[in-house]
Amino acid sequence: AQSVSQHNHHVILSEAASLELGCNYSYGGTVNLFWYVQYPGQHLQLLLKYFSGDPLVKGIKGFEAEFIKSKFSFNLRKPSVQWSDTAEYFCAVTNTNAGKSTFGDGTTLTVKP
Amino acid sequence: DGGITQSPKYLFRKEGQNVTLSCEQNLNHDAMYWYRQDPGQGLRLIYYSQIVNDFQKGDIAEGYSVSREKKESFPLTVTSAQKNPTAFYLCASSMVQGGSPLHFGNGTRLTVT
Repeated sequence: AQSVSQHNHHVILSEAASLELGCNYSYGGTVNLFWYVQYPGQHLQLLLKYFSGDPLVKGIKGFEAEFIKSKFSFNLRKPSVQWSDTAEYFCAVTNTNAGKSTFGDGTTLTVKP
Repeated sequence: DGGITQSPKYLFRKEGQNVTLSCEQNLNHDAMYWYRQDPGQGLRLIYYSQIVNDFQKGDIAEGYSVSREKKESFPLTVTSAQKNPTAFYLCASSMVQGGSPLHFGNGTRLTVT
């Protein structure tokens, strides 16, 4: 069975600080990887995704993530966070054979102005 | 606008009663999903369906039932057999191909007392 582990449950940063949220998954087959974000009072939405090709993918609002196959990792990064990045972030992996997504427990990011 | 509509936003029920949560999508997606979101536990898959009149159990299907009579609709029934029904329920849809990203509704918060 596939699983996803997010190492940080709650991260607090000041504006302009750099961000890295860890995500590791366990599954031996071909996967697609996603980061979703849930801003306060809004629905979950896609931040970025990796299917194949360049392991460094860029998403909305200056976020990027790097897929490192040997480490089964897909960490999310942003060089300089803003107060508006305060949200809950979820890493997810989709088994391309089964077609269903497994989510991590989520990381709550609080950015202090 | 295309999207996913979940209704109602808040639902209250007495213990021992079955309750049905509505989910409708107009994105023409073949696949639909129900997730349960609890604090600190991320999203857990209840049921999913990749085609009309067919659905599969997810990781926590016990105490729940679904139907998929129409492509646009995927209602979830929380039965009296579900031991801890109070939660936030999210419906999502996607294309079937190749790990397409999920599109989420705004969720239904169910409280059972």
